[in-house]
Amino acid sequence: QQQVKQSPQSLIVQKGGISIINCAYENTAFDYFPWYQQFPGKGPALLIAIRPDVSEKKEGRFTISFNKSAKQFSLHIMDSQPGDSATYFCAASALKYGGAQKLVFGQGTRLTINP
Amino acid sequence: NAGVTQTPKFRVLKTGQSMTLLCAQDMNHEYMYWYRQDPGMGLRLIHYSVGEGTTAKGEVPDGYNVSRLKKQNFLLGLESAAPSQTSVYFCASSQTLFPAGYEQYFGPGTRLTVT
Repeated sequence: QQQVKQSPQSLIVQKGGISIINCAYENTAFDYFPWYQQFPGKGPALLIAIRPDVSEKKEGRFTISFNKSAKQFSLHIMDSQPGDSATYFCAASALKYGGAQKLVFGQGTRLTINP
Repeated sequence: NAGVTQTPKFRVLKTGQSMTLLCAQDMNHEYMYWYRQDPGMGLRLIHYSVGEGTTAKGEVPDGYNVSRLKKQNFLLGLESAAPSQTSVYFCASSQTLFPAGYEQYFGPGTRLTVT
């Protein structure tokens, strides 16, 4: 049972365009939603995260939009650059169950930015 | 700071063989995690630890054992490897305190092939 569903599996965007990756979750106990970025041969690294008390969070060219009622959240990359080419994972966890952050990951999206 | 390191980087096992993957972190983090990454599945939590001497099961614990004898080390063992355990294994660690506890730091991964 995939608790966090991510789409699309792969995405090709032209340089300067907007990249959009979507995720949907089922467990209403989730209260923390991070996005991780992974380059080939490397471990994932935290990119940006949001709590459900806000609907949007922006850090530079990266924005998370969050829709609590629809149980959906998305990552927007503005002015996409070739250096953004990587695999992106959304994730969710229920922090109120304790300090251990048991992340549930989406399936991943391989993003390619064409120059 | 080396962050999170994993040993070995690559390993090939035959069915039925055993091995131990070592994870070490130098950030004095309380929490440590083992994930496996498979194509189209994202990362799935195998086991985690909330402190020295403690371990707990994650989403896919069957066929794996773990130990956390020292705070900085988290070992993942495969007692009798199976082809289904062919995967890339990632170790991660995190802090306990809000908001620092929300980021997991990942190691570079171990690519394991079971033939």
